[in-house]
Amino acid sequence: DGGITQSPKYLFRKEGQNVTLSCEQNLNHDAMYWYRQDPGQGLRLIYYSQIVNDFQKGDIAEGYSVSREKKESFPLTVTSAQKNPTAFYLCASSLVASGVTNTGELFFGEGSRLTVL
Amino acid sequence: GQNIDQPTEMTATEGAIVQINCTYQTSGFNGLFWYQQHAGEAPTFLSYNVLDGLEEKGRFSSFLSRSKGYSYLLLKELQMKDSASYLCAVLPNDYKLSFGAGTTVTVRA
Repeated sequence: DGGITQSPKYLFRKEGQNVTLSCEQNLNHDAMYWYRQDPGQGLRLIYYSQIVNDFQKGDIAEGYSVSREKKESFPLTVTSAQKNPTAFYLCASSLVASGVTNTGELFFGEGSRLTVL
Repeated sequence: GQNIDQPTEMTATEGAIVQINCTYQTSGFNGLFWYQQHAGEAPTFLSYNVLDGLEEKGRFSSFLSRSKGYSYLLLKELQMKDSASYLCAVLPNDYKLSFGAGTTVTVRA
């Protein structure tokens, strides 16, 4: 079945450690996104990519890094520079919105919950 | 930046109707989405509006007024499984979907 797979589902890290969250999709979508969700807040965009080997910063990119070497994969690294990394991280993908041929609807993975000890 | 407002919480009784309002001020408009999110899970798509009017899909309906920057999601014949967070999201000119903080709906027996 087509979909988006995130791993790990739960992750614990010590302060000062970098961690990488995996996101893989087999929907043949061009665009992929990383969102962060905190209690009582909406989803905030960290990074997005509309094509292989290209990505742009979202609203809260500081302390995070990404790569897009393959269409199917968009891993997110939470670096030690991220001051408050404990959160629920959601990866999503979409056909690139054109407003004519598609709506840009997002399809989400199951999420990864990161806790810093 | 984009500004999307929706109530934080709503409570309703099983079998009743609840209306969740969403107002927005964004840089351009290319559509409005409603997503449902159960606690600890990923959001799932409910509806999409790009033209003014009402879109009905079973027990759920979504309304849009572009001139007023306003939408609502109407949940009818509420069931316990409808207890969840409902996210309003707007697609502005840069096509980066922007989300409101979400409305937590609690359905009581």
